[in-house]
Amino acid sequence: NAGVMQNPRHLVRRRGQEARLRCSPMKGHSHVYWYRQLPEEGLKFMVYLQKENIIDESGMPKERFSAEFPKEGPSILRIQQVVRGDSAAYFCASSTNVRDRDSPLHFGNGTRLTVT
Amino acid sequence: DAKTTQPPSMDCAEGRAANLPCNHSTISGNEYVYWYRQIHSQGPQYIIHGLKNNETNEMASLIITEDRKSSTLILPHATLRDTAVYYCIRMDSSYKLIFGSGTRLLVRP
Repeated sequence: NAGVMQNPRHLVRRRGQEARLRCSPMKGHSHVYWYRQLPEEGLKFMVYLQKENIIDESGMPKERFSAEFPKEGPSILRIQQVVRGDSAAYFCASSTNVRDRDSPLHFGNGTRLTVT
Repeated sequence: DAKTTQPPSMDCAEGRAANLPCNHSTISGNEYVYWYRQIHSQGPQYIIHGLKNNETNEMASLIITEDRKSSTLILPHATLRDTAVYYCIRMDSSYKLIFGSGTRLLVRP
């Protein structure tokens, strides 16, 4: 059973370009989370999605960032007009059913975005 | 409030047990405690979780006090590869895991 797959592992973008980060959850998982980790800092929650729905986006910056989790295909975190401050590791996690609180999240190995 | 409190750093000798404490004094009756670790810059790795009973798996044991206000993660025979940042986490009311600063465990040869 493959784990959470994220790609690309490394992404380099120039300021002003768009970045698209993909996350394929574990098989059977319909809950997806995105977290960001700045250098030498902890993980910060960004957004929680369930198939085709955004459940909680309280950690998403108000502009330039968006996320989706379509019925078919991976979850996408999209950053428009990237700036140097967006350079970070972005981690995706998935779970079967968080509502019973007995289902751990499983994380991918992240996408490291570098903005030059 | 999904706050937990952990010491910022600990160390132990290779081959010894590593006991990592965590305080979660405001935990409610149906909240689980989750433990993760992050090795270098990899993704957080799930270790174990529990509600009120002690739990054990192939990686670690989790001891939860009777009042559930604190817990201890035990790595029975620490190896150099267990050097990592360990996070004790509660899931908040919106079903999110909120990461704190964790405990940086250094396993000494």
